[in-house]
Amino acid sequence: GESVGLHLPTLSVQEGDNSIINCAYSNSASDYFIWYKQESGKGPQFIIDIRSNMDKRQGQRVTVLLNKTVKHLSLQIAATQPGDSAVYFCAECSGNTPLVFGKGTRLSVIA
Amino acid sequence: KAGVTQTPRYLIKTRGQQVTLSCSPISGHRSVSWYQQTPGQGLQFLFEYFSETQRNKGNFPGRFSGRQFSNSRSEMNVSTLELGDSALYLCASSVSGTGSYNEQFFGPGTRLTVL
Repeated sequence: GESVGLHLPTLSVQEGDNSIINCAYSNSASDYFIWYKQESGKGPQFIIDIRSNMDKRQGQRVTVLLNKTVKHLSLQIAATQPGDSAVYFCAECSGNTPLVFGKGTRLSVIA
Repeated sequence: KAGVTQTPRYLIKTRGQQVTLSCSPISGHRSVSWYQQTPGQGLQFLFEYFSETQRNKGNFPGRFSGRQFSNSRSEMNVSTLELGDSALYLCASSVSGTGSYNEQFFGPGTRLTVL
């Protein structure tokens, strides 16, 4: 498959463990944040989003936490599975501005 | 319903040539955004089209251009290709465009290699 990024930070977790992926965003005026998952050979896929008036949002097996004080976003994946192996990106935007993506983190799940 | 489609999936060109990439958005989506993805720079926004008009533009040289047709299909063109243009070009569509609360759906991308 295609290599999304050769020099991405990598997080390795055991299957069944919880994963936490962190992201520092750049614009304090951003009011909408999204986590994307990108598997080899595919485009980014929406996972979960959060608006700036919230500090936590839960989905199926995923939770996003937002700390506006330190401009930090995290994605927690519960009971990580081999199918979760991918590159994860955070993205931010404000108003009608385009999405600004973080550099990404590669998640590797060890069976 | 069908997702975002991009053609071609792979392309090899030589320096100085030009290239045209195509994107068909999800039916009913009026906004198409283009991104360049490279290992060094990550995902970078190129431009967005909405109802045949360019609404946002990223920080790329004028060699990169695009257009959108009345059926919302979009094309991007890169002229006078450089080695550094080798990248995965991603297209994303949404109902009403970039910005808050508008989920963007990405296509699989076109892998462009410039030799």
